[in-house]
Amino acid sequence: AQSVTQLDSHVSVSEGTPVLLRCNYSSSYSPSLFWYVQHPNKGLQLLLKYTSAATLVKGINGFEAEFKKSETSFHLTKPSAHMSDAAEYFCVVSVGSWGKLQFGAGTQVVVTP
Amino acid sequence: GAGVSQSPSNKVTEKGKDVELRCDPISGHTALYWYRQRLGQGLEFLIYFQGNSAPDKSGLPSDRFSAERTGESVSTLTIQRTQQEDSAVYLCASSLEGTSNQPQHFGDGTRLSIL
Repeated sequence: AQSVTQLDSHVSVSEGTPVLLRCNYSSSYSPSLFWYVQHPNKGLQLLLKYTSAATLVKGINGFEAEFKKSETSFHLTKPSAHMSDAAEYFCVVSVGSWGKLQFGAGTQVVVTP
Repeated sequence: GAGVSQSPSNKVTEKGKDVELRCDPISGHTALYWYRQRLGQGLEFLIYFQGNSAPDKSGLPSDRFSAERTGESVSTLTIQRTQQEDSAVYLCASSLEGTSNQPQHFGDGTRLSIL
């Protein structure tokens, strides 16, 4: 069965420093993977998706993620954190043929000045 | 263009009452999904609609929960005889088609509080 594990429940970074959010997946075949961000009292916004094309995926707001099959990982990075990046981030795998999503538990990102 | 729209944005009701939540998907999106998000947790799948096909109801937690969708338009999620454990944010999403590589676009959710 497909699943994702987000390795950190909370990450705190200083503004201007790199951000790394870790995600490992479990899948019996090549998965479709997504990162979503959720700001307080808002719905989820798609940051980027991996669907078996390029292994390095660029998303919105300067985020990118690298699909590593050998490590079953799909970590999200950003070179320089901004205060507006403070939010909750979800790593998500698509399971089944019709796009049912399995969500990770989320990583809360705090950005300090 | 317009995104997924949900109403109401907030709903407070007494235990035992019925509630109805509404979702307007993005125009042209054939697939529609409902999720529940309890405080501090990830999203829990509830139900999936694809066009005029029979919905996948495998995520509905009890028979108090039901949902309808007419064609490829508006959907309503109904919770009967609400309980305190139903308090959560209910999120709706739509996608162009129900396939594994199509991203889902989410509304801002309905925050439901049961007193």
